[in-house]
Amino acid sequence: AQSVTQLDSQVPVFEEAPVELRCNYSSSVSVYLFWYVQYPNQGLQLLLKYLSGSTLVKGINGFEAEFNKSQTSFHLRKPSVHISDTAEYFCAVSVSGGYNKLIFGAGTRLAVHP
Amino acid sequence: DVKVTQSSRYLVKRTGEKVFLECVQDMDHENMFWYRQDPGLGLRLIYFSYDVKMKEKGDIPEGYSVSREKKERFSLILESASTNQTSMYLCASSSTGNREQRTEAFFGQGTRLTVV
Repeated sequence: AQSVTQLDSQVPVFEEAPVELRCNYSSSVSVYLFWYVQYPNQGLQLLLKYLSGSTLVKGINGFEAEFNKSQTSFHLRKPSVHISDTAEYFCAVSVSGGYNKLIFGAGTRLAVHP
Repeated sequence: DVKVTQSSRYLVKRTGEKVFLECVQDMDHENMFWYRQDPGLGLRLIYFSYDVKMKEKGDIPEGYSVSREKKERFSLILESASTNQTSMYLCASSSTGNREQRTEAFFGQGTRLTVV
């Protein structure tokens, strides 16, 4: 079975500061890794995903994430956040080659303050 | 643009009622999913369907059923609503094309269901 742990439930940060949202996963089989964002009262939007190849993945809105197989981590980073990045962020995995059934972490609420 | 449309943004139902949550996608996707979102728990898969009339249980199917009579429509049914089913419900769809396409799930805006 697969599981995802997001290590911080809330992350407060000032505008223009860097941010890292942490994600660890557990799986006995090969998985794909994802980060989704949910703005207030909206559905989920894909930020980025790791399928294979380069371990540094760039996504939308200036976000990037690094896959670390030895540490089973997939942390999300942004060098300078904006007020508009305030949202909930979800890390997820799915089994490689499967139906893309996503297993989500509990979410991290990013609050960007002026 | 892919659109996944959930018929209601907000619903209030009484305990014991039969509740239907409807989801329609317009991109001819084979796979459709129902997730439930609760604070501190993230999203959990209730059911998914990989073809018309085909379905599989997810991680928390108890108290729910689904129907997929047409490719574009996937319904979640609460046979007898209970207060512990008060939650946000999200529908998603994805195709069975190449790996890039298969791993791109598109989500609806969610239905916030309150059972009183």
